[in-house]
Amino acid sequence: AQSVTQLGSHVSVSEGALVLLRCNYSSSVPPYLFWYVQYPNQGLQLLLKYTSAATLVKGINGFEAEFKKSETSFHLTKPSAHMSDAAEYFCAVSESTNAGKSTFGDGTTLTVKP
Amino acid sequence: EAGVTQFPSHSVIEKGQTVTLRCDPISGHDNLYWYRRVMGKEIKFLLHFVKESKQDESGMPNNRFLAERTGGTYSTLKVQPAELEDSGVYFCASSQLKRLRTEAFFGQGTRLTVV
Repeated sequence: AQSVTQLGSHVSVSEGALVLLRCNYSSSVPPYLFWYVQYPNQGLQLLLKYTSAATLVKGINGFEAEFKKSETSFHLTKPSAHMSDAAEYFCAVSESTNAGKSTFGDGTTLTVKP
Repeated sequence: EAGVTQFPSHSVIEKGQTVTLRCDPISGHDNLYWYRRVMGKEIKFLLHFVKESKQDESGMPNNRFLAERTGGTYSTLKVQPAELEDSGVYFCASSQLKRLRTEAFFGQGTRLTVV
């Protein structure tokens, strides 16, 4: 069984500040991990993914995440927040044998203050 | 290349009525997944088609939900009769059959409101 915990349903940062969205996972097998973003009135867009290669993963829009097996974490970061980053972010875990079947976290809404 | 397309984008129905959601996957994608997000909670897996066959329907909540994928192309998800707790956003996703190690691509979702 797999599970995902996103710490903080709402995160607010100032424009230009560091963005840190936390994700911890549980998996009985080596996981694949994903971060998705959902902008208002849009679908889910893949930001980045970890698939057992490099532990530091770079994604679109300047986001990156680091897979830490010892901490069972996959936190999402961006050095400098932009107003356009305001959205809801989802962390997800899946098994490598069927990456399309994912277990998602509850989501974190990111607000960026001017 | 067109992405995953879902119809309708929004649907408002009364309790007890029937609603059918449609998903058109990316052309050539044999894997098709349905998910839903209820009451702002987590996005939950409903089922997985491989072509026209149901590979995994472990997430289907009850027998009021019926998913089909005749011909292995588009899929429909019917809710009959709809209940208030069925309100939420229903997502569809697809991926290539031979690339199970690749994530699926999501559609924009159908927002279902049962009143």
